[in-house]
Amino acid sequence: EAGVAQSPRYKIIEKRQSVAFWCNPISGHATLYWYQQILGQGPKLLIQFQNNGVVDDSQLPKDRFSAERLKGVDSTLKIQPAKLEDSAVYLCASSGSGYEQYFGPGTRLTVT
Amino acid sequence: GQQVMQIPQYQHVQEGEDFTTYCNSSTTLSNIQWYKQRPGGHPVFLIQLVKSGEVKKQKRLTFQFGEAKKNSSLHITATQTTDVGTYFCADNQGGKLIFGQGTELSVKP
Repeated sequence: EAGVAQSPRYKIIEKRQSVAFWCNPISGHATLYWYQQILGQGPKLLIQFQNNGVVDDSQLPKDRFSAERLKGVDSTLKIQPAKLEDSAVYLCASSGSGYEQYFGPGTRLTVT
Repeated sequence: GQQVMQIPQYQHVQEGEDFTTYCNSSTTLSNIQWYKQRPGGHPVFLIQLVKSGEVKKQKRLTFQFGEAKKNSSLHITATQTTDVGTYFCADNQGGKLIFGQGTELSVKP
């Protein structure tokens, strides 16, 4: 069974530029999550999708972050414009009928 | 909002020594999950505890959930170099995970 796929793996941008991350969850997993993990901290949930609907986006900075999962499968997370404090690893995870979340390899974003 | 605290932040042990990380919350935890993240890797699910006072074992790993469901612990017996990584606890609130800041374990051979 293929795991959660994410791309790109690394991205370096200047502040005020925009960036997008892509995630393809495990086949058949209805729930998809985006987390932000700042160095030395635990992952922080940004947004949770159930199929193509948003379940929780209470911690998503909506003035600059957006996410979509139009067909209920893969998802994109966008930051526009980026700030220095957005430097982090962005992790995508998915879950099926169980409670276990499966994480992808992450995208390491550096904002200069 | 709710905070999940983990101690210690770092732990350095000699191979063969035991290791314990503690997870605490000021409010009642729903279900507690534990994840391991190897250096440069992503979190990998270890276990979920649901019941008050629950104890589960996975080979050399022992997980406990406090009687009041406000704390949890992970104990590793006789650490090995393969145990290196950061161990996170997370409160599972209906799929929304609130992570602690993790305990980074290093093992000296």
